[in-house]
Amino acid sequence: ELKVEQNPLFLSMQEGKNYTIYCNYSTTSDRLYWYRQDPGKSLESLFVLLSNGAVKQEGRLMASLDTKARLSTLHITAAVHDLSATYFCAVDPYGAGSYQLTFGKGTKLSVIP
Amino acid sequence: NAGVMQNPRHLVRRRGQEARLRCSPMKGHSHVYWYRQLPEEGLKFMVYLQKENIIDESGMPKERFSAEFPKEGPSILRIQQVVRGDSAAYFCASSQGAMMNTEAFFGQGTRLTVV
Repeated sequence: ELKVEQNPLFLSMQEGKNYTIYCNYSTTSDRLYWYRQDPGKSLESLFVLLSNGAVKQEGRLMASLDTKARLSTLHITAAVHDLSATYFCAVDPYGAGSYQLTFGKGTKLSVIP
Repeated sequence: NAGVMQNPRHLVRRRGQEARLRCSPMKGHSHVYWYRQLPEEGLKFMVYLQKENIIDESGMPKERFSAEFPKEGPSILRIQQVVRGDSAAYFCASSQGAMMNTEAFFGQGTRLTVV
């Protein structure tokens, strides 16, 4: 059974600081997704990483994928309050582009002024 | 182009009643996925459907749960004889197909509360 582990599960950080969220998974896959969820809301797609070494950046967020290490990271640069949300990574175990994803438990991020 | 539409947004059912959750995929999307999210947890895959076909229901409980995606109309997730443990947020996502570089979009979810 595919396991996806995120850490930390809770993260409180001050505005302006940098931090990294880690996502480890237990099986070979070269498709990994990062989502953001605000309380009571749906999931917003942030990044789709499709190959080893993939790196994508959007604003203050940067995601990378190392398929050999089975590790993805989501790096936050100079955090701002608007980034407060829960962040999920999800893995496609079949690598075929279907969305039968296995999600991590999420990292709840609070950015404090 | 409207996004993925789910209704109702909130649903309260008494134990033993039936819950019907609807999902209208984005226009042009023929693949639908249902997920369940328990409080403070990630989403758990339940079922993958294409029009009139169940492709993978490996994540669906064997009893009381069923899903369909008819030729016309929305996809329906049906939970019979609900129990308190069914209380969760149920999300559906849709995509154009199971192809590389397609993207799935999630609906707003239905939050089911069983009392």
